[in-house]
Amino acid sequence: EADIYQTPRYLVIGTGKKITLECSQTMGHDKMYWYQQDPGMELHLIHYSYGVNSTEKGDLSSESTVSRIRTEHFPLTLESARPSHTSQYLCASNGLDRYSGANVLTFGAGSRLTVL
Amino acid sequence: KNEVEQSPQNLTAQEGEFITINCSYSVGISALHWLQQHPGGGIVSLFMLSSGKKKHGRLIATINIQEKHSSLHITASHPRDSAVYICAVGGGADGLTFGKGTHLIIQP
Repeated sequence: EADIYQTPRYLVIGTGKKITLECSQTMGHDKMYWYQQDPGMELHLIHYSYGVNSTEKGDLSSESTVSRIRTEHFPLTLESARPSHTSQYLCASNGLDRYSGANVLTFGAGSRLTVL
Repeated sequence: KNEVEQSPQNLTAQEGEFITINCSYSVGISALHWLQQHPGGGIVSLFMLSSGKKKHGRLIATINIQEKHSSLHITASHPRDSAVYICAVGGGADGLTFGKGTHLIIQP
């Protein structure tokens, strides 16, 4: 059973549309991340958050924004989608497991975006 | 910023061979993660290490904190082990830094 959920899994939209990719986790983790990954390529950090009301831009320049109003929710918004935004977007959370105390890193299943 | 180097970048081996993937990093860390991604699939966490050695089935992960180096071993490799293996390091207040991954192919 997944502890981190991403929606939608697949999305095809036209250029100029505004979209929001959702990411929610039930583990109470403070650290959350958004990565972009093209097929067969490495992960690129877009945004990250270390807690509520904390957001930072990552290494990859992007026309996207994020918000962290609640611990469990970290949505990613593209104000005006372009074909260059076509990619897979992966959300991850990192923190202590509430039962074992171990440091865990968990990825969502990803949102595959195609911009026409 | 932590620099993470993985080697080899690509590895093709025959079924049954013993596989070793290496990860080196430049700055001291609190945790190192080994991740697995099958073609077209999601990313799964295999191990989290802060010291020593961990074993899960045919997978063994070791870390040497002093040398800033970790290895992932696969014993009796199988075609289903074919995947990208990614090393990620984290150091407390700093975020995660990922290696570029090792593309492993196990041929029958």
